[in-house]
Amino acid sequence: GAGVSQSPSNKVTEKGKDVELRCDPISGHTALYWYRQSLGQGLEFLIYFQGNSAPDKSGLPSDRFSAERTGGSVSTLTIQRTQQEDSAVYLCASSPLAGITDTQYFGPGTRLTVL
Amino acid sequence: DAKTTQPPSMDCAEGRAANLPCNHSTISGNEYVYWYRQIHSQGPQYIIHGLKNNETNEMASLIITEDRKSSTLILPHATLRDTAVYYCIVSLDNYGQNFVFGPGTRLSVLP
Repeated sequence: GAGVSQSPSNKVTEKGKDVELRCDPISGHTALYWYRQSLGQGLEFLIYFQGNSAPDKSGLPSDRFSAERTGGSVSTLTIQRTQQEDSAVYLCASSPLAGITDTQYFGPGTRLTVL
Repeated sequence: DAKTTQPPSMDCAEGRAANLPCNHSTISGNEYVYWYRQIHSQGPQYIIHGLKNNETNEMASLIITEDRKSSTLILPHATLRDTAVYYCIVSLDNYGQNFVFGPGTRLSVLP
């Protein structure tokens, strides 16, 4: 079956512009996660959804970052007034539930470059 | 403070076993050990996880010491496609701020 997909695969934007990044999880997966990975760094947790609700927003780095999930499926990560330090690969993952032993399946990521 | 410590890099000859160590001396009783890997320019891929007992699946084996303070991921017959960064993660849950992907070990499988 289809895996996690993300769009766009690459996004170049100018400082100060808003961007929207999309994640399509694996069908039927109720849990969805957003991470970002700066060049040469490990993954940084941003936010987690269980269904449409986000019980854990603790990783969002600032109020310029927001995310929503509708219909228990597609999620959008929005970054307002982008800054150069927002440049990174943004990864989305999904899992059947958010239980201890549920494997996260990752998408290919969106590479964001803020000029 | 990092919950896990891994060597930054390792080499392994193709066809040989790759043994990747991870120290997690502060692990608590209910925390699992997870292993993921990330091949260049791809998203991370789940490998295996365990709590106390050794685990094996089609990709790898996970050996956890009796005191649970360290573990070893074993790729029994490494191939060139196993070249990747391998992450050892210790966490109660499979998500959240505690599900931390540190710098990992960069494994290079050599022909």
